[in-house]
Amino acid sequence: EVYLVESGGDLVQPGRSLRLSCTASGFNFVDHSMSWVRQAPGKGLQWVGFIRKNADGAATQYAASVKGRFIISRDDSKNIAYLQMSSLKSDDTAVYYCVRGGVGITPFEDWGQGTLVTVTS
Amino acid sequence: QTVVTQEPSLTVSPGGTVTLTCASNSGAVTSAYYPNWFQQKPGQAPRTLIYSTSNKHSWTPARFSGSLLGDKAALTLSNVQPEDEADYYCLLYHGGPQVWVFGGGTKLTVL
Repeated sequence: EVYLVESGGDLVQPGRSLRLSCTASGFNFVDHSMSWVRQAPGKGLQWVGFIRKNADGAATQYAASVKGRFIISRDDSKNIAYLQMSSLKSDDTAVYYCVRGGVGITPFEDWGQGTLVTVTS
Repeated sequence: QTVVTQEPSLTVSPGGTVTLTCASNSGAVTSAYYPNWFQQKPGQAPRTLIYSTSNKHSWTPARFSGSLLGDKAALTLSNVQPEDEADYYCLLYHGGPQVWVFGGGTKLTVL
């Protein structure tokens, strides 16, 4: 069975940084792209970005709202995808989900349970 | 700015059929937008139902189907069950700077 477990969510001040992790199991992590999606409290879903598999150069793309502040990376030896967030703003307050897949025709598949990031002074 | 539009809310009776739609201000939605549909129940993570317009995952109930309807993507629920009450989100691939854009979601009430 596929498991995606996000961790690292916390309460942080504006302007600070935070790194989220998504630990994967139950599938061959190296063969899959990974995406991040967020959801502000009481709001809809927002695509954050993705990272392709290493065989595709581990290329990344980001939503305009986070480009230049967020970086997605992966460690295939540990089956972990990361979301490094910097210069955090109150608008970044959300539950962050990692999702298997989500690059072009590659389907969005399994979702993690999410981790809450709260940005407040 | 790309905007993806869904019906804010719909109501359907148990056993009925309902169609949710997904439009883009970029123009007619085609298969090249790889429409995805997700279901989210209160307090739960989303679950992917449909990808690339009409493809189902192994866990997707047969009563859910995806299609293109006119210039929109569509999700049709047939023989609706009480447990189908949820928020439904579509997601379209636009490429360029926004790549993937979610619709605002449809709150489906089964009544």
